[in-house]
Amino acid sequence: DQQVKQNSPSLSVQEGRISILNCDYTNSMFDYFLWYKKYPAEGPTFLISISSIKDKNEDGRFTVFLNKSAKHLSLHIVPSQPGDSAVYFCAASATYGQNFVFGPGTRLSVLP
Amino acid sequence: EPEVTQTPSHQVTQMGQEVILRCVPISNHLYFYWYRQILGQKVEFLVSFYNNEISEKSEIFDDQFSVERPDGSNFTLKIRSTKLEDSAMYFCASSEALGQGNTEAFFGQGTRLTVV
Repeated sequence: DQQVKQNSPSLSVQEGRISILNCDYTNSMFDYFLWYKKYPAEGPTFLISISSIKDKNEDGRFTVFLNKSAKHLSLHIVPSQPGDSAVYFCAASATYGQNFVFGPGTRLSVLP
Repeated sequence: EPEVTQTPSHQVTQMGQEVILRCVPISNHLYFYWYRQILGQKVEFLVSFYNNEISEKSEIFDDQFSVERPDGSNFTLKIRSTKLEDSAMYFCASSEALGQGNTEAFFGQGTRLTVV
């Protein structure tokens, strides 16, 4: 039962272009969403989050968009840099939940 | 910048042995978690801990697993009798709050557990 889905296992983008990573969820109780970046042999690093009361949150090169009716969120990275190459995890939590549910991840490769 | 620290970074153990994975969460955080990632698979929730007790656990977290906060700083995961399929990266995480105020979890670098 995948509550958080990331249907693209991998994505390749040219340096300087926009990277768009997508995430879908099924549990309507989720009201807080997070993106984590993970390098090999390291723990996930928090990138950006969004509450369900918003539809957009921006932090530097990173913007997260939330479409509640579609149960879909996306992470935009612009411009993409080679150092952005990593696995990106979408995660979700519910107000009265007790954990964060992770998606399977998307491996982003930014080509110089 | 405060961080979650985990020790050891790599643990090799024989099947059937007990292992204890250690974590020092960020000091003002109240919620603590263990996650694991089997090689090539997704990050899976194991257990969350708040106010000195387990607040939620997954199906993975069976009787072989236990958690403890033995003092004011450490948070440990014990696997009583390890199995080959317990081999994974184990991540500890902590957050200021959950539920009352949405906040992110900060993860440690992980402990790679190899059961042979």
